[in-house]
Amino acid sequence: AQSVTQLGSHVSVSEGALVLLRCNYSSSVPPYLFWYVQYPNQGLQLLLKYTSAATLVKGINGFEAEFKKSETSFHLTKPSAHMSDAAEYFCAARLDTGRRALTFGSGTRLQVQP
Amino acid sequence: GAGVSQSPSNKVTEKGKDVELRCDPISGHTALYWYRQSLGQGLEFLIYFQGNSAPDKSGLPSDRFSAERTGGSVSTLTIQRTQQEDSAVYLCASSFMASGGNWNEQFFGPGTRLTVL
Repeated sequence: AQSVTQLGSHVSVSEGALVLLRCNYSSSVPPYLFWYVQYPNQGLQLLLKYTSAATLVKGINGFEAEFKKSETSFHLTKPSAHMSDAAEYFCAARLDTGRRALTFGSGTRLQVQP
Repeated sequence: GAGVSQSPSNKVTEKGKDVELRCDPISGHTALYWYRQSLGQGLEFLIYFQGNSAPDKSGLPSDRFSAERTGGSVSTLTIQRTQQEDSAVYLCASSFMASGGNWNEQFFGPGTRLTVL
């Protein structure tokens, strides 16, 4: 079945440490892939997107993600975590060319320790 | 307005009552989506409106759920005879009309938190 899987519902890092949030997908067609961030009591904000151009995608707030077709992955990284990065992160994909709706992963809550 | 707005921000209702949730998309956006975010879970697609085309209702979980979009702008999601499992945050998103194979970013509203007692 076509799906999006995020490994780790909670990730905790120290301020200044590398952030790595994992996302894998299953799709029968070339996917469009996205990372969204959700701060408490707010809607989702797009961090970055992959739509079949460059495989290394840079987004806002210093985040980037790399599309690896062979691994069906689209992991999100940031070299140095900041306290303000604490939020919930969702990986999403358009897995069906006939539908515009996105399929979301279950989310990863990022904690940043001082 | 500057972004997608939703009302109410919070709704508490009793089991068996009907509720209406409103979404006001970004002006000019012709595509509108409803998603549901249950506790500890990701977002679940409910329904999608694109211009004057028939809506994609494939994500609606039961016939108690319905939605309409009047005048190609504001949308209302209605849940009849609410159940406790309907408790969730209901998110609305809008985007420009996507043509051909192009994909346009979905902008999300802050959501409506529904609690069914």
